[in-house]
Amino acid sequence: RKEVEQDPGPFNVPEGATVAFNCTYSNSASQSFFWYRQDCRKEPKLLMSVYSSGNEDGRFTAQLNRASQYISLLIRDSKLSDSATYLCVVITNTGGFKTIFGAGTRLFVKA
Amino acid sequence: NAGVTQTPKFRILKIGQSMTLQCAQDMNHNYMYWYRQDPGMGLKLIYYSVGAGITDKGEVPNGYNVSRSTTEDFPLRLELAAPSQTSVYFCASRTVGTAASGNTIYFGEGSWLTVV
Repeated sequence: RKEVEQDPGPFNVPEGATVAFNCTYSNSASQSFFWYRQDCRKEPKLLMSVYSSGNEDGRFTAQLNRASQYISLLIRDSKLSDSATYLCVVITNTGGFKTIFGAGTRLFVKA
Repeated sequence: NAGVTQTPKFRILKIGQSMTLQCAQDMNHNYMYWYRQDPGMGLKLIYYSVGAGITDKGEVPNGYNVSRSTTEDFPLRLELAAPSQTSVYFCASRTVGTAASGNTIYFGEGSWLTVV
Protein backbone atom coordinates (compact mmCIF):
# COMPACT_ATOMS: atom_id res chain seq x y z
CA ARG A 1 0.00 0.00 0.00
CA LYS A 2 1.29 3.46 -0.89
CA GLU A 3 1.95 5.83 1.98
CA VAL A 4 -0.22 8.50 0.39
CA GLU A 5 -2.90 7.61 -2.14
CA GLN A 6 -5.05 9.80 -4.32
CA ASP A 7 -7.63 9.09 -6.99
CA PRO A 8 -5.68 9.90 -10.18
CA GLY A 9 -8.78 11.09 -12.03
CA PRO A 10 -9.06 12.82 -14.31
CA PHE A 11 -12.08 14.67 -13.07
CA ASN A 12 -13.94 16.42 -15.88
CA VAL A 13 -16.45 18.94 -14.56
CA PRO A 14 -18.37 21.89 -15.99
CA GLU A 15 -17.80 25.41 -14.79
CA GLY A 16 -19.71 26.11 -11.61
CA ALA A 17 -19.63 22.52 -10.41
CA THR A 18 -18.51 21.40 -6.99
CA VAL A 19 -15.77 18.79 -6.96
CA ALA A 20 -14.16 16.89 -4.10
CA PHE A 21 -10.83 15.10 -3.91
CA ASN A 22 -9.82 12.61 -1.27
CA CYS A 23 -6.41 11.51 -0.12
CA THR A 24 -5.60 8.68 2.29
CA TYR A 25 -2.40 8.21 4.25
CA SER A 26 -1.07 5.10 5.94
CA ASN A 27 0.99 6.43 8.85
CA SER A 28 -1.12 7.39 11.83
CA ALA A 29 1.82 9.42 13.20
CA SER A 30 1.59 11.88 10.31
CA GLN A 31 1.51 15.44 11.56
CA SER A 32 1.15 18.02 8.81
CA PHE A 33 -1.04 17.98 5.76
CA PHE A 34 -1.24 20.17 2.69
CA TRP A 35 -2.82 20.50 -0.71
CA TYR A 36 -0.57 21.67 -3.52
CA ARG A 37 -1.58 22.68 -7.02
CA GLN A 38 0.56 21.97 -10.08
CA ASP A 39 -0.13 23.53 -13.45
CA CYS A 40 1.12 21.89 -16.62
CA ARG A 41 4.89 22.24 -16.96
CA LYS A 42 5.13 24.24 -13.75
CA GLU A 43 6.34 23.60 -10.24
CA PRO A 44 3.92 22.59 -7.46
CA LYS A 45 2.69 25.49 -5.37
CA LEU A 46 1.00 25.51 -1.99
CA LEU A 47 -2.77 25.76 -2.25
CA MET A 48 -3.58 25.41 1.42
CA SER A 49 -2.56 23.75 4.65
CA VAL A 50 -5.03 21.35 6.25
CA TYR A 51 -5.83 21.82 9.90
CA SER A 52 -7.54 19.42 12.27
CA SER A 53 -10.58 21.66 12.60
CA GLY A 54 -10.90 22.05 8.85
CA ASN A 55 -10.23 25.28 7.04
CA GLU A 56 -11.60 27.32 4.21
CA ASP A 57 -10.04 29.72 1.75
CA GLY A 58 -12.58 31.27 -0.55
CA ARG A 59 -14.02 28.51 -2.75
CA PHE A 60 -11.68 25.91 -1.29
CA THR A 61 -12.34 23.85 1.84
CA ALA A 62 -9.93 21.34 3.32
CA GLN A 63 -10.81 18.71 5.89
CA LEU A 64 -8.75 16.28 7.94
CA ASN A 65 -10.10 13.06 9.42
CA ARG A 66 -7.40 11.58 11.63
CA ALA A 67 -9.48 8.62 12.72
CA SER A 68 -9.95 7.47 9.13
CA GLN A 69 -6.60 8.86 7.97
CA TYR A 70 -7.78 10.89 5.07
CA ILE A 71 -7.85 14.49 3.96
CA SER A 72 -10.15 16.09 1.47
CA LEU A 73 -10.32 19.14 -0.72
CA LEU A 74 -13.61 20.62 -1.86
CA ILE A 75 -13.74 23.15 -4.67
CA ARG A 76 -17.00 25.05 -5.06
CA ASP A 77 -18.11 27.01 -8.12
CA SER A 78 -15.30 25.61 -10.28
CA LYS A 79 -13.57 28.00 -12.66
CA LEU A 80 -11.71 27.20 -15.86
CA SER A 81 -8.57 28.41 -14.09
CA ASP A 82 -8.95 25.63 -11.50
CA SER A 83 -7.86 23.11 -14.14
CA ALA A 84 -4.65 21.65 -12.75
CA THR A 85 -3.27 18.67 -10.86
CA TYR A 86 -3.90 18.68 -7.12
CA LEU A 87 -1.30 17.03 -4.93
CA CYS A 88 -1.85 15.78 -1.42
CA VAL A 89 1.20 16.18 0.84
CA VAL A 90 1.78 14.50 4.19
CA ILE A 91 4.64 15.15 6.60
CA THR A 92 5.51 12.56 9.20
CA ASN A 93 8.06 12.81 11.98
CA THR A 94 9.66 9.39 12.02
CA GLY A 95 12.99 10.33 13.53
CA GLY A 96 13.34 12.90 10.79
CA PHE A 97 10.60 14.76 9.00
CA LYS A 98 9.49 12.73 6.00
CA THR A 99 7.59 14.54 3.27
CA ILE A 100 5.42 12.39 1.04
CA PHE A 101 3.57 13.55 -2.06
CA GLY A 102 0.58 11.82 -3.51
CA ALA A 103 0.66 11.15 -7.24
CA GLY A 104 -1.92 13.89 -7.83
CA THR A 105 -5.48 14.19 -9.09
CA ARG A 106 -6.00 15.81 -12.46
CA LEU A 107 -8.92 18.27 -12.78
CA PHE A 108 -10.31 19.59 -16.04
CA VAL A 109 -12.96 22.30 -15.79
CA LYS A 110 -14.89 22.79 -19.02
CA ALA A 111 -16.84 25.79 -20.24
CA ASN B 1 12.12 37.29 -3.38
CA ALA B 2 14.43 34.68 -4.91
CA GLY B 3 13.17 31.64 -2.95
CA VAL B 4 14.49 28.46 -4.59
CA THR B 5 16.57 28.99 -7.71
CA GLN B 6 17.45 26.18 -10.11
CA THR B 7 19.81 26.24 -13.04
CA PRO B 8 19.85 25.39 -15.87
CA LYS B 9 16.20 25.49 -16.89
CA PHE B 10 16.74 23.36 -19.99
CA ARG B 11 19.56 21.04 -20.96
CA ILE B 12 20.17 18.36 -23.55
CA LEU B 13 22.81 15.78 -22.69
CA LYS B 14 24.32 12.99 -24.70
CA ILE B 15 24.35 9.49 -23.27
CA GLY B 16 27.33 9.07 -20.98
CA GLN B 17 27.84 12.77 -20.30
CA SER B 18 27.80 14.17 -16.79
CA MET B 19 26.35 17.38 -15.46
CA THR B 20 25.33 19.16 -12.28
CA LEU B 21 21.95 20.74 -11.64
CA GLN B 22 22.35 23.68 -9.31
CA CYS B 23 19.89 24.57 -6.57
CA ALA B 24 20.11 27.46 -4.14
CA GLN B 25 17.67 28.81 -1.57
CA ASP B 26 17.87 32.06 0.36
CA MET B 27 15.32 31.27 3.07
CA ASN B 28 17.77 29.62 5.49
CA HIS B 29 15.84 26.36 5.24
CA ASN B 30 17.35 23.26 6.77
CA TYR B 31 15.58 20.72 4.57
CA MET B 32 16.26 20.49 0.86
CA TYR B 33 15.05 17.95 -1.67
CA TRP B 34 15.53 16.82 -5.23
CA TYR B 35 12.58 15.29 -7.06
CA ARG B 36 12.13 14.06 -10.58
CA GLN B 37 8.83 14.04 -12.40
CA ASP B 38 8.31 12.02 -15.54
CA PRO B 39 5.54 13.05 -17.98
CA GLY B 40 2.08 12.48 -16.50
CA MET B 41 3.52 11.03 -13.32
CA GLY B 42 3.96 12.11 -9.71
CA LEU B 43 7.05 13.38 -7.95
CA LYS B 44 9.73 10.87 -7.00
CA LEU B 45 12.28 11.75 -4.33
CA ILE B 46 15.88 11.34 -5.46
CA TYR B 47 17.86 12.68 -2.50
CA TYR B 48 17.23 14.92 0.45
CA SER B 49 19.23 16.78 3.06
CA VAL B 50 18.30 17.82 6.59
CA GLY B 51 21.18 20.26 6.94
CA ALA B 52 24.66 21.16 5.78
CA GLY B 53 26.85 18.08 5.61
CA ILE B 54 23.94 15.63 5.83
CA THR B 55 22.35 13.91 2.84
CA ASP B 56 20.28 10.77 2.38
CA LYS B 57 18.80 8.71 -0.40
CA GLY B 58 15.20 8.92 -1.46
CA GLU B 59 13.19 6.51 -3.62
CA VAL B 60 15.23 6.72 -6.82
CA PRO B 61 18.86 7.67 -6.05
CA ASN B 62 20.64 5.45 -8.59
CA GLY B 63 22.61 7.43 -11.14
CA TYR B 64 22.69 10.58 -9.02
CA ASN B 65 24.82 12.14 -6.32
CA VAL B 66 24.38 15.16 -4.10
CA SER B 67 26.35 17.26 -1.68
CA ARG B 68 25.37 19.87 0.89
CA SER B 69 28.39 21.90 1.87
CA THR B 70 26.34 24.97 2.79
CA THR B 71 22.80 25.59 4.00
CA GLU B 72 21.99 27.45 0.80
CA ASP B 73 23.19 25.07 -1.91
CA PHE B 74 22.17 21.54 -2.82
CA PRO B 75 23.56 20.51 -6.23
CA LEU B 76 22.50 17.30 -7.95
CA ARG B 77 25.12 15.48 -9.99
CA LEU B 78 24.24 13.15 -12.86
CA GLU B 79 27.05 10.78 -13.73
CA LEU B 80 26.98 8.90 -17.03
CA ALA B 81 23.62 10.21 -18.21
CA ALA B 82 21.13 7.67 -19.54
CA PRO B 83 17.89 8.15 -21.53
CA SER B 84 15.97 6.97 -18.45
CA GLN B 85 17.09 10.16 -16.73
CA THR B 86 15.13 12.30 -19.17
CA SER B 87 12.75 14.09 -16.84
CA VAL B 88 11.88 17.34 -15.12
CA TYR B 89 13.87 17.89 -11.95
CA PHE B 90 12.54 19.97 -9.09
CA CYS B 91 14.52 21.22 -6.16
CA ALA B 92 12.59 22.12 -3.03
CA SER B 93 13.24 23.36 0.47
CA ARG B 94 11.39 23.89 3.71
CA THR B 95 11.93 24.84 7.29
CA VAL B 96 11.07 22.61 10.19
CA GLY B 97 8.45 23.78 12.59
CA THR B 98 5.05 23.18 14.00
CA ALA B 99 2.01 22.75 11.87
CA ALA B 100 1.03 26.30 12.75
CA SER B 101 4.15 27.63 11.03
CA GLY B 102 3.12 25.84 7.92
CA ASN B 103 6.09 23.66 7.09
CA THR B 104 5.50 24.94 3.59
CA ILE B 105 7.61 23.36 0.89
CA TYR B 106 8.92 25.77 -1.72
CA PHE B 107 9.86 24.55 -5.16
CA GLY B 108 12.19 25.83 -7.79
CA GLU B 109 10.81 26.29 -11.30
CA GLY B 110 12.25 23.02 -12.51
CA SER B 111 15.03 21.87 -14.80
CA TRP B 112 14.01 20.09 -18.03
CA LEU B 113 16.63 17.51 -18.91
CA THR B 114 16.71 15.43 -22.08
CA VAL B 115 19.28 12.67 -22.59
CA VAL B 116 19.75 11.60 -26.18
